[in-house]
Formats: sequence, C-alpha cells, structure tokens
Amino acid sequence: SQKIEQNSEALNIQEGKTATLTCNYTNYSPAYLQWYRQDPGRGPVFLLLIRENEKEKRKERLKVTFDTTLKQSLFHITASQPADSATYLCALATFIQAGTALIFGKGTTLSVSS
Amino acid sequence: GAGVSQSPSNKVTEKGKDVELRCDPISGHTALYWYRQSLGQGLEFLIYFQGNSAPDKSGLPSDRFSAERTGGSVSTLTIQRTQQEDSAVYLCASSSRGWDTEAFFGQGTRLTVV
Repeated sequence: SQKIEQNSEALNIQEGKTATLTCNYTNYSPAYLQWYRQDPGRGPVFLLLIRENEKEKRKERLKVTFDTTLKQSLFHITASQPADSATYLCALATFIQAGTALIFGKGTTLSVSS
Repeated sequence: GAGVSQSPSNKVTEKGKDVELRCDPISGHTALYWYRQSLGQGLEFLIYFQGNSAPDKSGLPSDRFSAERTGGSVSTLTIQRTQQEDSAVYLCASSSRGWDTEAFFGQGTRLTVV
C-alpha cells in the first residue's frame, strides 16, 4: 500500500524566510496530491491540490510542486509569518479494498519566530 | 449545514462502555471519511463511505469498531467495549466526490476512556 513520508517532524524558521516542506511517497504516483494545514485542537483545513500533470501550483504566498519521477512534492511558504505556524499535512489517494481513499502523512510542524 | 458537524465535541467514558460518535457531512457530499488522531500523531485512516456503496472497513483497528451511514448522509462511528488505547480525537471529513476533491473536516470528537 502507499506510504507517505514527510521529511521532518518540526521545522523552525525566522519570519520573512521561505519554509520548504517535503512529502515523499513510496509506490505509484497518485493523480492528485493535496496539502492541508492543522492548528492545535482543530481539524485539518485544505490548502492546495495539485494534479500529476501540473508541475507547480501557487496560491498567494504558497507554492506546491509535484515531481512524479522523484515521487515527491515540495510545499513552500514565502515571506513566512508567525501566523503560518501550524502543522502541515500532505495527503494523497491510495487504493483500498473498496476503491480509493485519502490518506495523510504524519505532518511537519512549522514554527515561525519573529 | 455550512460545514461538517461532529457530536459530541468531547466524550469521557469508562473502560468497557460503548460509545457512538456522530458526523453530519456537508449536504450533497458523497464521500465521507473517518480518521483517528492520537496525541501528537498523524491522521490514521479508519473507514471510507462513497455514496451508497458498501464502505471500506480496511482501516478499522479491531472488530470493536463499526460505522454506518444512513441515507448517504449522517454517519455514526461506534466503538464497543472501549479500551484506554481508544482515547484519541476522532475526525470526520466529507468531500463532494472523493479523493480528487478537497476534504472538509469537522472539529473532531475528543474521546477519553478512563
């Protein structure tokens, strides 16, 4: 079955810098890959979805890349702010008995200090 | 409703008792997911419903766990004979089609087994 690895559990950066988070998967390349943000005590909130034929996608200060050769997605936050501090989760589809379901990596906790 | 609603938001139960957790998805969403998140851990996939099809139960951790979805809408996750290791936040999510569309999460039910 598909396995998702997010490179580090925690990432600490200074305000204004670019944060780069990594998501690697082990098996087949999914048609779609998603990124979510989770704040303490809350459910995850959708940020971006990128398709396998899209190399890059942007939304405001966020940028996601998808490299099916490397089996990797990178998530960038430019001009980071303390309010960006949260856990970021990578998600993709995996085949299960009755079809496909969305599974998540363990997440990377980002801390942006002022 | 405007979003995914879960009830109760908190539940404390004695070991050995049965509990029912409820999820009201966004109206019209055909896909519904249940996940479990233990303290400081990632999201563990439990079960997936797509429309009126039979659910995929491959993620359920034991036969004490079961779930149903009535009329393709409201879902109930039941845990029988609760154990202390069942203590976690149980998150429900829905999406308009499935894994190729964004998932909307509820706020979760925090279950504590004492």
